[in-house]
Parts: sequence; C-alpha cells; structure tokens
Amino acid sequence: AQTVTQSQPEMSVQEAETVTLSCTYDTSENNYYLFWYKQPPSRQMILVIRQEAYKQQNATENRFSVNFQKAAKSFSLKISDSQLGDTAMYFCAFLDTGNQFYFGTGTSLTVIP
Amino acid sequence: DAGITQSPRHKVTETGTPVTLRCHQTENHRYMYWYRQDPGHGLRLIHYSYGVKDTDKGEVSDGYSVSRSKTEDFLLTLESATSSQTSVYFCAISGFSGQGTTLNTEAFFGQGTRLTVV
Repeated sequence: AQTVTQSQPEMSVQEAETVTLSCTYDTSENNYYLFWYKQPPSRQMILVIRQEAYKQQNATENRFSVNFQKAAKSFSLKISDSQLGDTAMYFCAFLDTGNQFYFGTGTSLTVIP
Repeated sequence: DAGITQSPRHKVTETGTPVTLRCHQTENHRYMYWYRQDPGHGLRLIHYSYGVKDTDKGEVSDGYSVSRSKTEDFLLTLESATSSQTSVYFCAISGFSGQGTTLNTEAFFGQGTRLTVV
C-alpha cells in the first residue's frame, strides 16, 4: 500500500502572496500519478493539478504549479498571487497501478485579506 | 462537470438501523469508490468497484458492504449503524484506462453525504 503525508495541518497566506503546501509519499512503484485536490467550504472536491510520474517537467495550471521530486518522493504545490477564493482544504493524492487513490490528511489554507 | 450524484445529501439515523447511500454516474466509468472523510484523517477508502459485481475492500471496510449491479450505480450499506460511522461520505469515479495515458486519470467526486448516527 502507498502512503501520503501532508505535514502541515494548517497554513495561512496574505492575499497576493505565494504559498507552498508540502506533500510526501511512499511507494515502490515507478509509474503513478499525483494530484492536488481543493475542497472549499462547499465540500465539493475539485481537481487543481495533476502530475505523471514519468514526466520530469513540473505541471502548471495558471497560478498553481508543483515541484515534483521523484527521487525524494516529494510533491509540493505552489500557489502564486493567492486569492481569497483559494481558501480551502487541500488534499494531496496518489494513484497507483491498481487504480487505487490514496489521500493525505489535508492542509487547511486560509488566505488573509 | 462529471455526471455523478449522491443521495441522500444529508441523513440522520439511529444507532442500530440499516442505512444505504447511493452513488449514480452517467459517465460509464469503470471504477467507483466510496470514501469517508473525518477530521485529521483525510479521505479513507471504504470499498471500491472495478466493474459490475466486482468489488473489493478498502482500509476501513468493517461495518460496511457494497453492491454494484449496474455500471452506473454503486450502493454503500451500513448494516447496523454506529456512532463511529458518523462522517461525510464521498463517492468517486474514475475511468482510468491504463499506463502511459493521462486520459481519465483523475477521480471525480460526488457532492458528499453527511451522515449522523445518533
């Protein structure tokens, strides 16, 4: 089984600033996918960004980017120009070759006006 | 948005009663999952399905059963609800078709069901 660890239960950032959320994982697999999901107060789970393990290039989606370090098994999320709407719980997730998703415990991010 | 709906959205039930939650998809995705979300635990897998009548246990399956008689429906049953099963339950679907492709790798989630067992 895989494990996903998010060591920051809560974080805050000033509006327009940049924040980085950390995620580490443990696996013996070589091919897998990694994701960041956002869960606002509405409870809906929203995909923020995905990364394929076989791609060395870090994924980016507008203000969101990742720092994927395969050897270190690290997958951090950087949010640039933080906006009030970014306030949410963020989950790191791992998809293995058995089509199982594993989630971290989440980081609650608050953007301060 | 992916076509996935959960019912009911909210439910309060008494200890010892059976409860069934329904997940319905219109995407024809192969994989369906039931998770529970609790503070400090993130999302934990209860059961999942990889096809009609093909299901398997997740890490917190005790006290839960599932059934999938049609591609579009995945039912989660609490045979005799306990207070420890008070939680938010999410259904998810995935159409991942194998390695080497990003097609449908992500999980699409329902809106969640808040279940309270009193």
